[in-house]
Amino acid sequence: DIQMTQSPSSLPASVGDRVTITCRASQSISNYLNWFQQKPGKAPKLLIYTASTLQSAVPSRFSGSGSGTDFTLTISSLHPEDFATYYCQQSYMTPYTFGRGTRLEIK
Amino acid sequence: QVQLQESGPGLVKPSQTLSLTCTVSGASISSENYCWNWIRQPAGKGLEWVGRTCVRGSSNYNPSLKSRVAISLDTSKTQFSLRVTSVTAADTAVYYCAKEDYGGAWCLDSWGQGTLVTVSS
Repeated sequence: DIQMTQSPSSLPASVGDRVTITCRASQSISNYLNWFQQKPGKAPKLLIYTASTLQSAVPSRFSGSGSGTDFTLTISSLHPEDFATYYCQQSYMTPYTFGRGTRLEIK
Repeated sequence: QVQLQESGPGLVKPSQTLSLTCTVSGASISSENYCWNWIRQPAGKGLEWVGRTCVRGSSNYNPSLKSRVAISLDTSKTQFSLRVTSVTAADTAVYYCAKEDYGGAWCLDSWGQGTLVTVSS
């Protein structure tokens, strides 16, 4: 299985901050990397697919980059509704695997 | 707008079979452009991909569940189902169904709200 390592696991931040979350795959996955946002009690929501393509209706303050094994999710200026848990997921091959999540919390 | 809704028993006894159904609207379940996935999440933990079935290809399952899992399509009812046999407490989780864009973006772009399944006697 492809292992996905996310960091940090927890990220204190303030409204207006620029934040970056990283995700590393245990082998090359080309650009088959997706990012999800999950709020408590809710289903994950797709933010970015194929590493850098913004899903429809997702605000442009979210962006993704990377290829091969190293990827990043950046939020350019945090809004209050952005405090949530973020997961990366590889769709290069089954079994699909997720990172362990990054909890973005209010500082 | 694509919508998915999970349904099934919220409580299953150990060693018995967990059965869930996902009803799909707004997308053709028989389309070769989609795969239909199940993902689960134990309380307070991360996401685990359970498996998927695709009209175009075969079904794929997480080896961690070994041979206990099966996913099937019922195109007449616009539903797909999950069966997990010989359940234990480790199978207690919120189960999500999700649509995957197959052969295009290869992403899980629409999710159900999730349903909690507890394994307990």
